[in-house]
Formats: sequence, structure tokens, C-alpha cells
Amino acid sequence: AQKITQTQPGMFVQEKEAVTLDCTYDTSDPSYGLFWYKQPSSGEMIFLIYQGSYDQQNATEGRYSLNFQKARKSANLVISASQLGDSAMYFCAMREGSGGGADGLTFGKGTHLIIQP
Amino acid sequence: EADIYQTPRYLVIGTGKKITLECSQTMGHDKMYWYQQDPGMELHLIHYSYGVNSTEKGDLSSESTVSRIRTEHFPLTLESARPSHTSQYLCASSESIGGVEKLFFGSGTQLSVL
Repeated sequence: AQKITQTQPGMFVQEKEAVTLDCTYDTSDPSYGLFWYKQPSSGEMIFLIYQGSYDQQNATEGRYSLNFQKARKSANLVISASQLGDSAMYFCAMREGSGGGADGLTFGKGTHLIIQP
Repeated sequence: EADIYQTPRYLVIGTGKKITLECSQTMGHDKMYWYQQDPGMELHLIHYSYGVNSTEKGDLSSESTVSRIRTEHFPLTLESARPSHTSQYLCASSESIGGVEKLFFGSGTQLSVL
């Protein structure tokens, strides 16, 4: 079974609109972390935001926020006031367990976001 | 800004050649990783290292090998490249920041084996 599911292979959004990228996850471990990465056409992976399973509040980093709904096992990324430079692939990822290593990082298939002027 | 570098950026080679993909980081991170990514697909961990002389295989079986003789250097080698090895290879290192293990990625090597 997929551990990370991103149901939107591609999205077109008008510049300055808010964007929600969906991510659902599957784990029986009570301790886990959820990550979002951005991959522009240049290829590198850029860390955006992190949410821990025990965090009480939704994570926010500038224009990025994570809509964490634990009961639904959902961790959607919200980008406010989208910009042309936001066009990229976006990956949701999960690390299970409370260990410090990142070797258990599982990635979703990604969402290709295109911002239109 | 992450200081992790991969060379070459693009590589096109013939079947049977031995190749080494280079990865270096100047952040002093102990933990380093290699991920493989096919077009439009998710990343799969193929190797990781927790420090000098430590290497482990990841979730995805790979015919490649790695070495970690120096902290800053984590090269990946294919002894005999095949077309099935065509993929993007991403190197990463990580450190714990505020209790969160964050990965920093290089720009990747796009490998094409003819």
C-alpha cells in the first residue's frame, strides 16, 4: 500500500491565487514527521515545511502552511498568494518513528504545479 | 543555502562502462544519502551513510555501490552501466535542526545509459 499519496499529478493555478496541494499518508506508528519539498526544473530538492505528529499547531513558513488533519491522515500544503516562481514539482514525504535519522523518509509521486500569469 | 554539490550534472554513456557519480558537502554533516528518481516519479532511497566507513542499502535495491572514506565525500559507483540504470540520482545530507532531521539535496545527476 502507498504510504504517501498525492492525488494531483498536475495543477494549473492563476498567479496570486492560493494553492492547496493534497497529501494523505498511511502509518501505524504514533510518532512520525511530515515534510514538503519543492523541486524546480533545475532538479534540486528544496525543503519547505515540516509537521511533527505530536505538534499541536499547523506548521507555517512564510507563504507556506501545512493543513494537518491527523484523524484524516492528511497533510496538505497551502501556498498563499502564488507566484510564477512557485512553478515546480512538489513532494510530500514522511519519516516514521522517533529516531533522528532520515533514512526512513518515504516520498509521494509529486504534484506538478504550474502558475499562470 | 545548502552546500552540497553533485557532478556531473548530466552524463550519457554506453552500456558496460564503469561510472562514478560524485557528491560532496561542505556542511560537516555525518548523514548522507543517495536517492534514485525516475521521471515523474517519487524518490527512492538506494544508499545511506551515518558517517565515515558506514554505508547501508536503502529501500530500493540497486546494483550501485557507495563509499564513505571522508565525511564530505559520498561517491556512487556503477561497475557496469546498463540502460535500466537510466535515471536521476540525487545526493543529500542531513542534520538535526530544532529537533527535526532536515535533508539538503544536491542538484542531481541525470544519467542516460545507451
